Amino acid sequence: AQSVAQPEDQVNVAEGNPLTVKCTYSVSGNPYLFWYVQYPNRGLQFLLKYITGDNLVKGSYGFEAEFNKSQTSFHLKKPSALVSDSALYFCAVRDSMEYGNKLVFGAGTILRVKS
Amino acid sequence: EAGVAQSPRYKIIEKRQSVAFWCNPISGHATLYWYQQILGQGPKLLIQFQNNGVVDDSQLPKDRFSAERLKGVDSTLKIQPAKLEDSAVYLCASNEQMGSRVATDTQYFGPGTRLTVL
Repeated sequence: AQSVAQPEDQVNVAEGNPLTVKCTYSVSGNPYLFWYVQYPNRGLQFLLKYITGDNLVKGSYGFEAEFNKSQTSFHLKKPSALVSDSALYFCAVRDSMEYGNKLVFGAGTILRVKS
Repeated sequence: EAGVAQSPRYKIIEKRQSVAFWCNPISGHATLYWYQQILGQGPKLLIQFQNNGVVDDSQLPKDRFSAERLKGVDSTLKIQPAKLEDSAVYLCASNEQMGSRVATDTQYFGPGTRLTVL
């Protein structure tokens, strides 16, 4: 069965600095990878996804993520963090070999951007 | 385009009571999901519908949880009787595709219902 690990419970960065939120995955087939963001008392908002093709995926709000097959990673990045980026970030994966194409989420990483 | 709608947004009940949540997915979306998100954890799939049929309910505690999507549009999730450990946010999500095309399709989430069981 597929799984996702987000090794950092919290990431702290200063406004204007680059940010990285880490994600690693495990699947039997091909991975389909997603990043979502959750603000307090809100549902999850889709940021970006990797299905196939270019390893660097660009998404909403200036975020991007790099798919690395050899390291089984899909880290979320942004060149210059904003205070408004502070939120809870979830990485999720679907396994092409899994019946029903279930989306499995990591435990989440809190991002805090300080001015 | 309207998003996924859920109600109520908040619910407080006592243990052993029953509760129901409602979800209306994005218009035209064939696949609907219910997730349970316990504080400090990622969402966990409870049940997946394709139109009005169940695709995956392997993680649904069927002794107390039930869900239906009778006309293939909106859905209800019920807990009866509730336990303390059911305190969580219940998220509904939908995506347009069905079958194998679900794999690469984006899921869109509603705002969730925060359930507190006392």
